[in-house]
Amino acid sequence: QVHLVQSGAEVENPGASVRVSCKASGYTFISYVLYWVRQAPGQRLEWMGWISAGSGNTKYSQKFQDRVTIIRDTSASTVYMELSNLRSEDTAVYYCARGRLGTTGLFDLWGQGTLVTVSS
Amino acid sequence: DFVMTQSPDSLAVSLGERATISCKSSQSVLYSSNNQNYLAWYQHKPGQPPKLLIYWASTRESGVPDRFSGSGSGTDFTLTISSLQAEDVAVYYCQQFYTNPPWTFGQGTRVEIK
Repeated sequence: QVHLVQSGAEVENPGASVRVSCKASGYTFISYVLYWVRQAPGQRLEWMGWISAGSGNTKYSQKFQDRVTIIRDTSASTVYMELSNLRSEDTAVYYCARGRLGTTGLFDLWGQGTLVTVSS
Repeated sequence: DFVMTQSPDSLAVSLGERATISCKSSQSVLYSSNNQNYLAWYQHKPGQPPKLLIYWASTRESGVPDRFSGSGSGTDFTLTISSLQAEDVAVYYCQQFYTNPPWTFGQGTRVEIK
């Protein structure tokens, strides 16, 4: 079966960094683009960035450009999203999502989500 | 950026009745070169990840029941659930994936049983 399985919930202090992982299974990892999307409480879903699992090329939303890094480990079929300089507004559920082949920006498979809480 | 606005924010429908959700984009998502609307609908149930229901405004994803249908073009779109089932209780989001990012979502519409 095709799955994206994310790491567990995190609680971080303001100013810290968090890294969330997303492990893919059941499909050819390097053939797809993986995206990160977050949803803060009461807010709409928000695209953060993407990585080509094959090439490692990335693109980030301007909003997060200075604070987000997305990398992949092809040997582990895993993508990582690191968000630095955390603030309370970064409290959200973070999702990885697979892009539909040949169609950028269309998310056809989602991870279960990782709750990141930023609090002192 | 494209702003996606859904209406209503929530609706309650009796089992077996029709549910209709509107989504309006601040700019057209119709790509003239291929005549495709770059508009998708997702279903998000509590405790589960979002699920792709419809893309190209009206193409159902594999495995999605045919009671779900999408329509519209340009800036105005509709998701219809023809006969609401208990398992359809969820929040529904529209999303534009027109050309360059950022790709944006509507604020969501919560569907409940009346």
